[in-house]
Amino acid sequence: DTGVSQNPRHKITKRGQNVTFRCDPISEHNRLYWYRQTLGQGPEFLTYFQNEAQLEKSRLLSDRFSAERPKGSFSTLEIQRTEQGDSAMYLCASSFPSETQYFGPGTRLLVL
Amino acid sequence: AQSVTQLDSQVPVFEEAPVELRCNYSSSVSVYLFWYVQYPNQGLQLLLKYLSGSTLVKGINGFEAEFNKSQTSFHLRKPSVHISDTAEYFCAVSGRGGSNYKLTFGKGTLLTVNP
Repeated sequence: DTGVSQNPRHKITKRGQNVTFRCDPISEHNRLYWYRQTLGQGPEFLTYFQNEAQLEKSRLLSDRFSAERPKGSFSTLEIQRTEQGDSAMYLCASSFPSETQYFGPGTRLLVL
Repeated sequence: AQSVTQLDSQVPVFEEAPVELRCNYSSSVSVYLFWYVQYPNQGLQLLLKYLSGSTLVKGINGFEAEFNKSQTSFHLRKPSVHISDTAEYFCAVSGRGGSNYKLTFGKGTLLTVNP
């Protein structure tokens, strides 16, 4: 296994810009999760995919956020019209049909 | 819904001393329990997990944890810590059953190992 990969690792953007992050799960893992971690806090669940279907979204995921997982492989998380409060580490995790999630290195977003 | 409380935000210890990081959870359903470690500017690495069976589980890097259902606790222990154990540790739970094993995390405990 090559592990979960995320790109970019760091992103600096200006308020109001759109950003997109990518997550490549461990191959053959059919479940994929996105979490957000702010400074000094534990990760918080954002959304979950089983294959290409987005099955649950947290109320933390405002309508400026959208996630996709075309063909059930990689996933993208887009934030439109970024705000300073969006500054955080965005973590992706994947799992085979099981309870154990494996995390990627994260994408750190800074909104100026 | 579940919640996790990590009772200590910071734990400083000396190298080779034992350590215990405390975790309590609340849930209306049966849960799976996890401990993850996060090194600076990195993602989370699974240390150990409790799914069922023996309440004492062993993980990587010499860590172990004990599930106590009556006290709804899942404390993490290591008999002798190293400088390299300095990191943030997160306790997490997920509900059993269904297909969404989304994790609910505590706020983390920063373990600092001093020489």
